[in-house]
Amino acid sequence: GNSVTQMEGPVTLSEEAFLTINCTYTATGYPSLFWYVQYPGEGLQLLLKATKADDKGSNKGFEATYRKETTSFHLEKGSVQVSDSAVYFCALPSGTYKYIFGTGTRLKVLA
Amino acid sequence: NAGVTQTPKFQVLKTGQSMTLQCAQDMNHNSMYWYRQDPGMGLRLIYYSASEGTTDKGEVPNGYNVSRLNKREFSLRLESAAPSQTSVYFCASSDRGQGVRPQHFGDGTRLSIL
Repeated sequence: GNSVTQMEGPVTLSEEAFLTINCTYTATGYPSLFWYVQYPGEGLQLLLKATKADDKGSNKGFEATYRKETTSFHLEKGSVQVSDSAVYFCALPSGTYKYIFGTGTRLKVLA
Repeated sequence: NAGVTQTPKFQVLKTGQSMTLQCAQDMNHNSMYWYRQDPGMGLRLIYYSASEGTTDKGEVPNGYNVSRLNKREFSLRLESAAPSQTSVYFCASSDRGQGVRPQHFGDGTRLSIL
């Protein structure tokens, strides 16, 4: 079945640093891929998505490119802010109705 | 625009007590889900309802029951709470089954069982 692996955290960066959070997947075919963000005390929110190979999803300065050759969907941001401190989850669908989530990567950005 | 609403937000129970977590969505989504989130383990699916009138077990269903009351509401019941069920519970909804759509999450219920 489908699976997803993302890098363990926590990741601690200084403000304006470059961010990469790695995500690799195993899947049948080319499923849609998602990144969600969870701010403290809140539920998960969709951050961005890509629906087919070579697509680039982007939102709020974050980007991720669907790379079928390396089965990866790494999350990047050129200049992080303190407000980006959160937990980030990579996810993909599994079967007709279910989803699989990575274990989450906690990001802490220091001023 | 409420989205997915969960009640209560916090709850403390004693071992053996029962309670029901409520979830309602106003986006006319067909599918609804219950997850639990524990440190270092990400999200684990407890139960889901692909459409009104159907429910199915997820990864960790033991100790829980669910009811899809109507298209909007999906409740999770703990019949006899155990300390191992201390967790943060999230309800989500989506239009899965109508193509691949993202999930929308509530803000969670933080449940402690003493």
